[in-house]
Amino acid sequence: EAQVTQNPRYLITVTGKKLTVTCSQNMNHEYMSWYRQDPGLGLRQIYYSMNVEVTDKGDVPEGYKVSRKEKRNFPLILESPSPNQTSLYFCASSFRSSGQGYTGELFFGEGSRLTVL
Amino acid sequence: GEDVEQSLFLSVREGDSSVINCTYTDSSSTYLYWYKQEPGAGLQLLTYIFSNMDMKQDQRLTVLLNKKDKHLSLRIADTQTGDSAIYFCAEKRRNTPLVFGKGTRLSVIA
Repeated sequence: EAQVTQNPRYLITVTGKKLTVTCSQNMNHEYMSWYRQDPGLGLRQIYYSMNVEVTDKGDVPEGYKVSRKEKRNFPLILESPSPNQTSLYFCASSFRSSGQGYTGELFFGEGSRLTVL
Repeated sequence: GEDVEQSLFLSVREGDSSVINCTYTDSSSTYLYWYKQEPGAGLQLLTYIFSNMDMKQDQRLTVLLNKKDKHLSLRIADTQTGDSAIYFCAEKRRNTPLVFGKGTRLSVIA
């Protein structure tokens, strides 16, 4: 089954304790992205990756890191989480970000709800 | 402005039509999308329209695009309780990833 898998789905942690949210897709997609969703603010992009070893900042990258060493994985790293990073996080992927054959369909994971105390 | 704008809430009675509106920002945007987020789930692509089209119909869904006003709408005919969700409008601007609106929460009253 084609899917984007995020782990963990739920996490409660404390300020300053490093954590990683993993994201994996099995569709051989080139493009991957992380979003956070907050009430009243909608979806905001954190980081995205056009392909392996290529990453770019989105709208709200502060406090986050990413890496794209393999095509299928795009982990989100919070080196020193703070309470303002309490949010619902989504990973998404698509076949390509532009060009021929592009329809824009982003495939989303189920979300990871993070609480930082 | 730079934001994709949507109203935040819409409430309709079961069986009525729902119309969700969106104003986007870039007249050169090539694709415009509607995504649906059901409770506790990620977003799923509902439908999309290419910028050279005015209308697209798919079963109960009708998408209207007014390029002059940069206005996109999604009409859901015979709205059902299962249509209750958050609906996101998104645009594909040149050389940038998708830009999403804040989402419209549709509540369907039985």
